[in-house]
Formats: sequence, structure tokens, C-alpha cells
Amino acid sequence: EAGVTQFPSHSVIEKGQTVTLRCDPISGHDNLYWYRRVMGKEIKFLLHFVKESKQDESGMPNNRFLAERTGGTYSTLKVQPAELEDSGVYFCASSQDGQGQYFGPGTRLLVL
Amino acid sequence: AQSVTQLDSQVPVFEEAPVELRCNYSSSVSVYLFWYVQYPNQGLQLLLKYLSGSTLVKGINGFEAEFNKSQTSFHLRKPSVHISDTAEYFCAVSYATYNFNKFYFGSGTKLNVKP
Repeated sequence: EAGVTQFPSHSVIEKGQTVTLRCDPISGHDNLYWYRRVMGKEIKFLLHFVKESKQDESGMPNNRFLAERTGGTYSTLKVQPAELEDSGVYFCASSQDGQGQYFGPGTRLLVL
Repeated sequence: AQSVTQLDSQVPVFEEAPVELRCNYSSSVSVYLFWYVQYPNQGLQLLLKYLSGSTLVKGINGFEAEFNKSQTSFHLRKPSVHISDTAEYFCAVSYATYNFNKFYFGSGTKLNVKP
């Protein structure tokens, strides 16, 4: 069974540009989560989808971040325009019952 | 605000020695507790979890953790480490009475196993 996949693995962009991260959850997992780790600090929750609906987006830092999950399958996280402080590792996770989340390898974003 | 504290950012240890990685969380309400491991250039892998029942939880690769409600702790232990255990370890908590899907992570502990 394939795990959670994320694309791209790395992205280097300039301040003001737009970047879109993609996450493909484990097949059949209704719950999908986005997290971010900045500068070696703790991993922080961004938001949670149940199928295509946003269940909790309390961790989204500001309106430059937009997450979507059309059709309840893969999800995208768009940052527009990117700022320097957006640099970090963005993790996606999925679960079936919420009692154990399976994480992808992360996307390393560097904003210059 | 909920918080998770991993007291040691780095733990050096010799191969075959025992190790304990500490984790404390801020609230005494009903919690679910997890330990994840991240090997270099890989994603987070679930080591073990506590949802209910026995306070001693056994996980993969010989790791175990003990839930201590009075001390709000969930320390990870292994009696004898291997070089291959070198990785970063993350403690995570979710609160069963709130949104149990929202995980709070500690800042991670880097375990460096030396030969």
C-alpha cells in the first residue's frame, strides 16, 4: 500500500512568488492534515480536512495560505505571495480514524 | 494554550546503552499520546501510541513509553540502542475532549547513537 506522498520534495522561490504544494493521502483515508515546521522548531498544525470539507483551519497563519481538497482525494496548499518567514518543511498526513496520523516525507520550502 | 515540551534537544548515547527521551504536556484532560521518529531525509513514522488502557505502551523497534497522568508525561525508552536508531524523535499530543485530530508536537529530540 502506498504511503502519503508529497510533491515537490524541495522548492526554492523568491519572495513574492507563488508556490503550490501537493499531497496525496493514503487511499481511503478521509482525514487529511497539513503541518509546518519552521527553523527546527516544533511541528505546528495548519488545518484538517474531512473528505473535501475543512474541519479545522485554526492553524493557518494568514490569508496568503489557501488549502483545497477537491473531490476529497489529493490536497493542495498554495502560498501567495510567499514571504521569507514561510520557509520551512510542510508535512501532510492522513488517517482513517484520527487516532494515528500517517505522515508524508514533507516539502522543504525556501523563500529567498 | 496547549503545549508539549521535549526537554532535551539532543541526546548522545553509546550503542547498546539504554536511553530515555522525555516528553511533558501541559494539560491533564483526556489525551491521546504519540511518539514519531524521523530518519534522515524521510517522513515521520509512528513509533507507538497511547489511546487508553495500559499505561505502558510497546512500539516498533523495541521502543516503549509510559503514560503518567499525574506528571503529565509520556517518556520514551529503549533498553539497548543501535546505531540505526539515530534519528529525530517527536512527541505528539491530541486532546480527546477537544479536536482530537489536532496534534500538538514537541520541538523534537535528536538521538545520536555512537559506536
